[in-house]
Amino acid sequence: DIQMTQSPSTLSASVGDRVTITCRASQSISRWLAWYQQKPGKAPNLLIYKASTLESGVPSRFSGSGSGTEFTLTFNSLQPEDFATYYCQQYYTYPYTFGPGTRLEIK
Amino acid sequence: EVQLVESGGGLIQPGGSLRLACAASGFTVSSNYMTWVRQAPGKGLEWVSVLHTGDRTYYADSVTGRFTISRDDSMNTLYLQMNSLRAEDTAVYYCATDGPGTSSLRYWGQGTLVTVSS
Repeated sequence: DIQMTQSPSTLSASVGDRVTITCRASQSISRWLAWYQQKPGKAPNLLIYKASTLESGVPSRFSGSGSGTEFTLTFNSLQPEDFATYYCQQYYTYPYTFGPGTRLEIK
Repeated sequence: EVQLVESGGGLIQPGGSLRLACAASGFTVSSNYMTWVRQAPGKGLEWVSVLHTGDRTYYADSVTGRFTISRDDSMNTLYLQMNSLRAEDTAVYYCATDGPGTSSLRYWGQGTLVTVSS
């Protein structure tokens, strides 16, 4: 199985900050990576797929990059509604696996 | 509008069985890859199983041999039959599906809680 890791596990930041989360795969997954946002008590919400394609309706302050084994999710100018937990997921091969999550909290 | 509504969760004793359902609207389950994802209390997301349009199925190692994914086209509903349940199967179970242009999980249900405890 492909193992996914994320760093950091928790990130404290302020509104307006520019922050980056990193996701790594244990083997190459090309660009078959998605990012999800999850708020407490809610289902996850797709933000980015194929490493860098922004899902319809997602604000342009979110961006994704990477290929192979290393990927990043970047927030340009954090907004109050962005404080949540973020997961990466590889969909290159089954079983599709998620990263452990990065909790983005208000400093 | 695509909607997914899960049901069937509840409290079940270890070793017991439960069947979850995911009623779909706005699309036909037979035309999409349908997935179950779970989340234990306070933990991260875990991919559980997928049912392809061609009826091929895949499972996480943790549920292989115990869980079965299926669908009823006439009811436009996805199912997850869970047998030999363990305490570690306690989680919110979400059904999810892809959409045009991506095989990532674009649409999600609200989830149903399964608690395995004596």
